[in-house]
Amino acid sequence: EADIYQTPRYLVIGTGKKITLECSQTMGHDKMYWYQQDPGMELHLIHYSYGVNSTEKGDLSSESTVSRIRTEHFPLTLESARPSHTSQYLCASSPLSSRGTQYFGPGTRLTVL
Amino acid sequence: GQQVMQIPQYQHVQEGEDFTTYCNSSTTLSNIQWYKQRPGGHPVFLIQLVKSGEVKKQKRLTFQFGEAKKNSSLHITATQTTDVGTYFCAAGYGGSQGNLIFGKGTKLSVKP
Repeated sequence: EADIYQTPRYLVIGTGKKITLECSQTMGHDKMYWYQQDPGMELHLIHYSYGVNSTEKGDLSSESTVSRIRTEHFPLTLESARPSHTSQYLCASSPLSSRGTQYFGPGTRLTVL
Repeated sequence: GQQVMQIPQYQHVQEGEDFTTYCNSSTTLSNIQWYKQRPGGHPVFLIQLVKSGEVKKQKRLTFQFGEAKKNSSLHITATQTTDVGTYFCAAGYGGSQGNLIFGKGTKLSVKP
């Protein structure tokens, strides 16, 4: 099983709160990703990173921000949560090559009231 | 941007029936990967295909990569309730840093 971790697993929070979703991997992968997914639906890439100090926006516009200060850590922050942000957030990592397998974390299920 | 079309979106089968999901790209792929996501879980890598016309098998699962490297399929023989989940293809278009492009997935339900 791949070593990629996400915390918290579940989060219920009120509108307007600032939240940070944590993601860490111990595989030394250069690339990391954040996907947004409604249950059983398609994966929407919202952010990715090629390595330390690299962050890129994905295909789906998102109000969240990310940082990559350390190779193993790729946190996602929402400055002011809204009900429209309610979803599952999946973190993944892979080697740099486009042929590299993506390893997904267990996900954070976010509910904004 | 590049897109990969995956069909069908949903498939309901009786246990023991076969199941197939298809992925198609308008441009040539470098590689294609398949992932399975169980209900409530996260996507898990199943297999990667790289060569034109490649066929790989994993027990009851058969994966094919088209001769033109523009399409791929996943076929499950004699489905079981453990096969329930969403199957995603993920297309690689080459380049040292290109991202995989995920299909929208096929959600499989199996009636016992």
